[in-house]
Amino acid sequence: NAGVTQTPKFQVLKTGQSMTLQCAQDMNHNSMYWYRQDPGMGLRLIYYSASEGTTDKGEVPNGYNVSRLNKREFSLRLESAAPSQTSVYFCASIAGCVTGNQPQHFGDGTRLSIL
Amino acid sequence: DAKTTQPPSMDCAEGRAANLPCNHSTISGNEYVYWYRQIHSQGPQYIIHGLKNNETNEMASLIITEDRKSSTLILPHATLRDTAVYYCIVRSLGTGKLIFGQGTTLQVKP
Repeated sequence: NAGVTQTPKFQVLKTGQSMTLQCAQDMNHNSMYWYRQDPGMGLRLIYYSASEGTTDKGEVPNGYNVSRLNKREFSLRLESAAPSQTSVYFCASIAGCVTGNQPQHFGDGTRLSIL
Repeated sequence: DAKTTQPPSMDCAEGRAANLPCNHSTISGNEYVYWYRQIHSQGPQYIIHGLKNNETNEMASLIITEDRKSSTLILPHATLRDTAVYYCIVRSLGTGKLIFGQGTTLQVKP
C-alpha cells in the first residue's frame, strides 16, 4: 500500500538551478494536485490535473511547470529555482472526478531548500 | 471559495474528548466540509468529511449545524498521538481543491 509516493524527500539547490519533483500514485486515481507549504502556514495549491492529459493553475503557479505523464505520475518542475521557492511540497491524488466528494490522499512531502 | 475560521490553538487532557470548532458561514449548499490533520511536517491525513448530516468513523465524529455555517470535529478519547494541527476545509466546487487556512494546533496533555 504505497499510496502517494514523492521523490526526492529532501533537496538543496542553488539559485538558478532546475529540478523536477516526482509524484506517483498507485490507487488508480484520476486527479492529482501539487501544493506547497511554507513555515507556519497551511497548504497552497500550485497546479492540479483533473485527468490524464489536462493541467490547470492553482493559487500560486508562477515559477512552476507541471506534466501529467500518465495516470499514475504528476511531476512539478522548477526551471530556475529562487529562494522564495524554499518550501515543503506535497502531492495529492483523488479518486473520481474533481467535483466529487472523495478525500484527497497526500504524500509525505519533498523538503526543498534553495540557497 | 468558502473560507473557514478556526481557533489557533487548543489544549485537551489525555483521555478526554477534544472538540474542535470551525466556522464556514459562506459555505454553498453543495460544498462538503473536510477535516484533515498534520502531525509535525508529515503529509496531511484525512480524518472525515460531511455535507449535512453528522458523520462518524473510526477516528472521529463530525457535527454540522443545521444551517451548515459551522461544524465541530470530535475526537472522543484524545491521546498524545493526536497532538497535531487540524484543518477544517471547505472543498472548492469545480476544481476539488482544498483551501487550507491556518488550522488549530491541538495539544493533548498527559
